Amino acid sequence: EDQVTQSPEALRLQEGESSSLNCSYTVSGLRGLFWYRQDPGKGPEFLFTLYSAGEEKEKERLKATLTKKESFLHITAPKPEDSATYLCAVPLRAAGNKLTFGGGTRVLVKP
Amino acid sequence: NAGVTQTPKFQVLKTGQSMTLQCAQDMNHEYMSWYRQDPGMGLRLIHYSVGAGITDQGEVPNGYNVSRSTTEDFPLRLLSAAPSQTSVYFCASKRGNTGELFFGEGSRLTVL
Repeated sequence: EDQVTQSPEALRLQEGESSSLNCSYTVSGLRGLFWYRQDPGKGPEFLFTLYSAGEEKEKERLKATLTKKESFLHITAPKPEDSATYLCAVPLRAAGNKLTFGGGTRVLVKP
Repeated sequence: NAGVTQTPKFQVLKTGQSMTLQCAQDMNHEYMSWYRQDPGMGLRLIHYSVGAGITDQGEVPNGYNVSRSTTEDFPLRLLSAAPSQTSVYFCASKRGNTGELFFGEGSRLTVL
C-alpha cells in the first residue's frame, strides 16, 4: 500500500535555529514528490516538485532534497513567517492523478 | 486572479440535511478534486475529475456525490449529512499530469 509519513508532527524553533522535516514514502516507481505549505485557515500552497534521487530545490530559506526512500525539507535560519504546516504528497502508484498526502509537520518559529 | 473559489466558507447542518459545496476555477484546469482535512488524518481525497463529464472516486467517497458539467465547476453534494462529515473541505485543481495543485480557501462544515 502506498504510504507517506511525515515526522516530526510538530516542531518548535527559535528564530534562526535551522532544522529539517522528514517525509518518507513507500511508493515504488516514484513519479514525483511534492511539498506544500499550509497557513492556518488557508488551503495548501505548492512549494516544490522533486522527481529523482539527488535532486534539490530551493526557495528562500527552504531547501527540499530527495532520496530513494525519503525527502527532507530543510529550513535554514527560519523566521516567524516560516511558521506553518508543511505537507508532502506523492502520486499513487496505480493512479497518477491521485495525490496522497502525509499528515504534515506543524512548524512554529518563535522570535 | 481568482484561482479556485469555494462557497460557502462556513456551514452548519443538521443530521440528514443535504447541501452542495461549490467550487469554481478560472485557470482552465482539466483536473479538479475534493479533499477533506481532519485533525490527525491529513488530507484525504474524496472525488476527482479529469475533465468535463468524467469523475472518479478517491479514498473516502461514501456519502458524497460529484458531477462535472463544465471545465470551471466541480460541486460536491452531501445527500444526507452525518456528524462524521464534520470537516474542512478543500477543492483543488491542476493542469495536466503535474503535481502542482491549486487549492481553494476551504469550506468548514459542521454537522450536528
